[in-house]
Amino acid sequence: AQSVTQLDSHVSVSEGTPVLLRCNYSSSYSPSLFWYVQHPNKGLQLLLKYTSAATLVKGINGFEAEFKKSETSFHLTKPSAHMSDAAEYFCVVSPERGSTLGRLYFGRGTQLTVWP
Amino acid sequence: DAGITQSPRHKVTETGTPVTLRCHQTENHRYMYWYRQDPGHGLRLIHYSYGVKDTDKGEVSDGYSVSRSKTEDFLLTLESATSSQTSVYFCAISDSRVITEAFFGQGTRLTVV
Repeated sequence: AQSVTQLDSHVSVSEGTPVLLRCNYSSSYSPSLFWYVQHPNKGLQLLLKYTSAATLVKGINGFEAEFKKSETSFHLTKPSAHMSDAAEYFCVVSPERGSTLGRLYFGRGTQLTVWP
Repeated sequence: DAGITQSPRHKVTETGTPVTLRCHQTENHRYMYWYRQDPGHGLRLIHYSYGVKDTDKGEVSDGYSVSRSKTEDFLLTLESATSSQTSVYFCAISDSRVITEAFFGQGTRLTVV
């Protein structure tokens, strides 16, 4: 079975401080993992992806995530938050084989607020 | 941006009426998906298609049907809309069954009154 747990529904940070958005997953098979961002009233934009290559993945806008198989985690980080980072972030898993191949499983989202 | 167009972008309809949402892509991707987004639930898969006339159910398929007669178009139909189907609907496309990247449309906000 596949599932994604985003451990925080809301995260608030001050501009210039680090960002940590936490994600744990469960998958019957080796998964691909993604982080998507959604700005208000917009579609979803891919931030970064892990597809069985390097465990530390760099994405757009200074975000990165580390795949830790032993902890089944894929936390998203950024060293210094910017006001434009305020958005909702989704952790997504997609199994690479099995009966659910080809599906995306979404976490419930983390709303990031950035204070000036 | 990937060439995905959803129409309409906004719709208000009455309970019990049929509604069809359209997703059109210009990327020639084989796989297409319909998701609904509700607060606190993230996105949940309604139906997906892995080729022309080949579709399958997702986790929240009750009350929805789909059709794909051409590679570029994937239609989602609510046969008899209910208030519980008020949601934002997203179409997505992918060029591989082992998903390395999925592209999303801008969404359709549907309100059933």
